Parts: sequence; structure tokens; C-alpha cells
Amino acid sequence: EVQLVQSGAEVKKPGESLTISCKASGYSFTSYWIGWVRQMPGKGLEWMAIIHPGDFDTRYSPSLRGQVTISADRSVSTAYLQWSSLKASDTAMYYCARQNDGMDVWGQGTTVTVSS
Amino acid sequence: DIVMTQSPDSLAVSLGERATINCKSSQSVLYSSNNKNYLAWYQQKPGQPPKLLIYWASTRESGVPDRFSGSGSGTDFTLTISSLQAEDVAVYYCQQYYATPKTFGQGTRLEI
Repeated sequence: EVQLVQSGAEVKKPGESLTISCKASGYSFTSYWIGWVRQMPGKGLEWMAIIHPGDFDTRYSPSLRGQVTISADRSVSTAYLQWSSLKASDTAMYYCARQNDGMDVWGQGTTVTVSS
Repeated sequence: DIVMTQSPDSLAVSLGERATINCKSSQSVLYSSNNKNYLAWYQQKPGQPPKLLIYWASTRESGVPDRFSGSGSGTDFTLTISSLQAEDVAVYYCQQYYATPKTFGQGTRLEI
């Protein structure tokens, strides 16, 4: 079964760092781009960034460039989304998804809450 | 960025009736070399991740009921649910994957 399994919910303070993960299984990890999508509370979907684990090519939304870093580890078929200094406005649900013809496989989501 | 604008923002349709959601892109998402529209539709139910319904503007994802159909080309697209079922209550999003960032529409809430 093709699936993406994300790491668990996080509660952090402003200024802290965080890395969340997305583990792929059931397909060739290096053959597809993996993207990250943000959904702030009660809001719509926002495309953030994408990485190709085959060559580590990355693309970011201009509005988020410098705010987050995406990476991947081929040895464990896992993609990551990292913050060096969280803000309250980073509070959201974060989804990873495989980019095929459309985003065809989604993780279950990781809730990130940033509060002092 | 390509801006995706959906209409309406919300829609109430009776069971068994047709639902139509529109999506307009600020520039064409039709790639001339392969004549494909890089446009997808997703369904999101409360507490769940989005689910891909349609890609290439009109190709149904495997397992998606045939009451869901997509149409359009260039900058104007439509998602149609031919006979609304109770389980179709959700928020629907269009997304262009022609260019980065692969932007989503703001969503359309479909109710009965």
C-alpha cells in the first residue's frame, strides 16, 4: 500500500526550532516529488514547498522562502519540514503529499501549535 | 504566482441535484506541447486530509465515483457533481500544477 505517515502533533514556544517528518512506503521514494501544504485553523490549503528525493531539487513558495527548509533522507524514505525559529503564526496543520498528476497520496497531517 | 479563484465560496444543493463549482486561473494552465491542463480538484472532509478527485482537469482518480466530473481548458474550469449524495458534503479545492508555487483556490464549501 502506498502511504505517507507523518510525525505526531507538536506544541512549541515562539523562537523554538522544529522538524516534522513524512515517511513514505509502498513506492519508489526517489521517483516522485513530495510537497508540503499548510492549513491554518479554519482556512484553506496553502502550497508551501516541494522536494525531489532523487536529486534533492527543491522549490519554495516565494512567500515562505527563508521561513522553512525542506529536506529528504533517501536511506529512510522520509521528507522533512524544518523551522529554525517558530512564530505564533506558524500554528497550523501541515500535510505532506506525493506530487504525481496532482497530489495523489497525502499524509494524515501534523498539527503544530506555537504558543507562549 | 498564478492566482486561482473559485466560485461560489459556498453552495447548498439538495440531495440528488447537480452541484457546479467553478475555478478560474489568472493565466493559462494549458501546456501547449502536450495539450494538457495542469489542473486538479480535491475534496476535503472535516478532520481529514484532502483527497484527489480529478487531474488533468478532467481525468477521474481511480476509485472516484463517476458522478464527479471535471471540464474546462486554459483558464476556466468546472467541477460537477451530477447527483449530490450526503457523503459529498465537504470543501472542494482546485489547484494548478503548471507552475511553482502550485497554488490552490480558496475553497468552496458544499452543503446540503
